[in-house]
Amino acid sequence: EAQVTQNPRYLITVTGKKLTVTCSQNMNHEYMSWYRQDPGLGLRQIYYSMNVEVTDKGDVPEGYKVSRKEKRNFPLILESPSPNQTSLYFCASSLYRAGELFFGEGSRLTVL
Amino acid sequence: GQQLNQSPQSMFIQEGEDVSMNCTSSSIFNTWLWYKQDPGEGPVLLIALYKAGELTSNGRLTAQFGITRKDSFLNISASIPSDVGIYFCAGRITVRTGANNLFFGTGTRLTVIP
Repeated sequence: EAQVTQNPRYLITVTGKKLTVTCSQNMNHEYMSWYRQDPGLGLRQIYYSMNVEVTDKGDVPEGYKVSRKEKRNFPLILESPSPNQTSLYFCASSLYRAGELFFGEGSRLTVL
Repeated sequence: GQQLNQSPQSMFIQEGEDVSMNCTSSSIFNTWLWYKQDPGEGPVLLIALYKAGELTSNGRLTAQFGITRKDSFLNISASIPSDVGIYFCAGRITVRTGANNLFFGTGTRLTVIP
């Protein structure tokens, strides 16, 4: 089954404790992206990757890092989480940059 | 990023009623997309529109790409309880290679009252 898998789905952590949200897709998609969803603000792009070893900032990249060492994986790293990073995070992929996005089920992160 | 204004922000309707929502921007887009997010899930693509003036249907859903390329609307006919969710519009523009090109609206939250 074609899917985008994120882990963990739910996480409560404390300020400053590094964490990684993993994302994996099994569709051989070139393009992958991370979004955060906040009430009233819709989906805002954090980082995206057009292919292996190619990443770029989206609209709200501050406080986040990503890497794309393999085509299927695109982890989101919060080196020192802060409460304003409490949000619902979505990973998405598409065959190419201009293609339609497939989304993961989301990861709800709370930073205390 | 680009600003997409989606309205209404929320709707409460009776089962069986028709629904209409729209998305506008000050920028010209090459593609308009409509996604639906069920509670606790990620967004799923409903309809994609590629040409100004294009009218496309998917079951009870109909969407149109505005002739000015700055807007799009989505209609749902004869709503049912499973239509509940958040509907997002998204617009795609052609930009220089490597730049972000897909922007989302703020969403319309639909509640259907049985």
